[in-house]
Amino acid sequence: AQTVTQSQPEMSVQEAETVTLSCTYDTSENNYYLFWYKQPPSRQMILVIRQEAYKQQNATENRFSVNFQKAAKSFSLKISDSQLGDTAMYFCAFMRGNTPLVFGKGTRLSVIA
Amino acid sequence: NAGVTQTPKFQVLKTGQSMTLQCAQDMNHEYMSWYRQDPGMGLRLIHYSVGAGITDQGEVPNGYNVSRSTTEDFPLRLLSAAPSQTSVYFCASSYSRASGRDTDTQYFGPGTRLTVL
Repeated sequence: AQTVTQSQPEMSVQEAETVTLSCTYDTSENNYYLFWYKQPPSRQMILVIRQEAYKQQNATENRFSVNFQKAAKSFSLKISDSQLGDTAMYFCAFMRGNTPLVFGKGTRLSVIA
Repeated sequence: NAGVTQTPKFQVLKTGQSMTLQCAQDMNHEYMSWYRQDPGMGLRLIHYSVGAGITDQGEVPNGYNVSRSTTEDFPLRLLSAAPSQTSVYFCASSYSRASGRDTDTQYFGPGTRLTVL
């Protein structure tokens, strides 16, 4: 069974600074997808970024980028120029093909003015 | 499109009561699933369905029942509510691999906060 581990329950960052959230996963599969979801206080789950395992190039979405290390089974999220609106829970998730998402336990990020 | 809708948004039950959490999507997605979110636990899969008439258990299925009679709807039934079922419940949907469409993006509903006293 796949597992996803987020080792940082809480983090904080100053506004405009850069922060990196860690995620590791365990799988014997070669083809899969990895995701970062954001959950603000509104509780809505918002997809931030996704990465296909067969792609070597790291995904980027504006201020969000990932460092995908397939051999190390690591998938960290970097948030540049942090904004107050980035304050949220962040979940790392794994999916193999068309199967249910497996989530990590989350990292609570606070952006401080 | 309304996307994925869930009702109710909030619910308080007494131990032993039964109820159904509703989930509907208007995107013609074959794949639907239910998760529960508890503090410090992330989201855990309860049940999922790959199409009408087909359901399967996830990580934490005990105490919950599902059926999928239509593509659009995937209700979650609590048969006899217990305080351990106090949680936030999320429904999600996506295309299936057989559709040939983008299958790796799941769309989430807004969640239902359930309290069992």
